[in-house]
Amino acid sequence: QVQLVQSGAEVKKPGASVKLSCKTSGYTFSEYFIHWVRQAPGQGLEWLGRSNPKSGATNYAQKFQGRVTMTSDASISTAYMDLSRLGSDDTAVYFCARETICIGCHAFDIWGQGTLVTVSS
Amino acid sequence: LVMTQSPATLSVSPGERATLSCRASQSISSSLAWYQQKPGQAPRLLIYGASTRAIDIPARFSGSGSGTEFTLTISSLQSEDFAVYFCQQYNSWPITFGQGTRLEIK
Repeated sequence: QVQLVQSGAEVKKPGASVKLSCKTSGYTFSEYFIHWVRQAPGQGLEWLGRSNPKSGATNYAQKFQGRVTMTSDASISTAYMDLSRLGSDDTAVYFCARETICIGCHAFDIWGQGTLVTVSS
Repeated sequence: LVMTQSPATLSVSPGERATLSCRASQSISSSLAWYQQKPGQAPRLLIYGASTRAIDIPARFSGSGSGTEFTLTISSLQSEDFAVYFCQQYNSWPITFGQGTRLEIK
């Protein structure tokens, strides 16, 4: 079945970077965009950006421009998100999600289980 | 583009109907999705295109609306439906979500 399996929890110090992975299976990796969404403790959902595994093209939320990098490795069907200059307000669960296929749709039909990133000195 | 959900918390008895609202700060046509999230889990896609149910979503979930006003209706609440629900617009970048409606057992 279609699955997105994310890497394990991370603890980072302020100013550090974190790189998360999202290993996909059960579908053709290159045919679907991968998005990253985060959720701070007890809060709502915040979109960070998306990557096109086929072309490598990316779209980032302006808030994270210059701090986020989304890449993918098609040989192992895995997407990555790198977030730099971490602050305490980056503490959150980070989800990868597959964009559903329908024209003009940017809804997310399959989600990873989430990775907790804790930023603390 | 700000998405505003109401109410923040909705208390409904099992078997009854629940109606959740989502308002966009400007028109988003039908570019709206609804998600259900349970504690410790990832969100689950319920509805996209404002009214199209995702695969394997029961018929008791329905979505309606266009422009700036949207509604998610759960016709007869089951115990597994008590959760937090988020709306999401994808008409323009950046994608944004509402703050969520917590559906609790009355």
